[in-house]
Amino acid sequence: EAGVVQSPRYKIIEKKQPVAFWCNPISGHNTLYWYRQNLGQGPELLIRYENEEAVDDSQLPKDRFSAERLKGVDSTLKIQPAELGDSAVYLCASSTRTSWWHEQFFGPGTRLTVL
Amino acid sequence: AQSVTQLDSQVPVFEEAPVELRCNYSSSVSVYLFWYVQYPNQGLQLLLKYLSGSTLVESINGFEAEFNKSQTSFHLRKPSVHISDTAEYFCAVTSLNYGGSQGNLIFGKGTKLSVKP
Repeated sequence: EAGVVQSPRYKIIEKKQPVAFWCNPISGHNTLYWYRQNLGQGPELLIRYENEEAVDDSQLPKDRFSAERLKGVDSTLKIQPAELGDSAVYLCASSTRTSWWHEQFFGPGTRLTVL
Repeated sequence: AQSVTQLDSQVPVFEEAPVELRCNYSSSVSVYLFWYVQYPNQGLQLLLKYLSGSTLVESINGFEAEFNKSQTSFHLRKPSVHISDTAEYFCAVTSLNYGGSQGNLIFGKGTKLSVKP
């Protein structure tokens, strides 16, 4: 079974430029998470989807960040415009609700460098 | 609010030595605790979890962790480490009784375990 797929793996951009990250979750997983992991820190949740609905986006900086999961499968996270402080690894994870607690499966992440 | 503290950012040990990676949490409600491992150039993987029942939980590769409610700790231990255990380890907490954040994971900053020959 394929794991969570993310692309690109690495991205270098100049500040004020837009950038987008793509995530394909494990087949059948209806819950999708986007995390940001700053250098030397643990992952921090940005947004959580249940199917196509964003059920928790309280930590998403909505002035510059946006996300979508139009058909309840793939998801895209966008930053526009990027700032120097956005340099981090962006992680996508997915899970299924077949059990009352659902293990999260993580992708390898996209490492963003903003110059 | 919930929080997780991993007391050591880096732990160097020699192969076959025992190791303990410390994790303390803070929460006003009942919690569920996890250890995730991140090998170089890979995504995070669940190592072990405590949901209920026995406070001592084990992984398939020899790690164990004990939930200590009075000390609010969930330390990870292994009696004899291998070179292949070199990775970053993250402790995480969640609660099913925390309103809209139900099920969300709160991670610690991670501990880099470096096993030397």
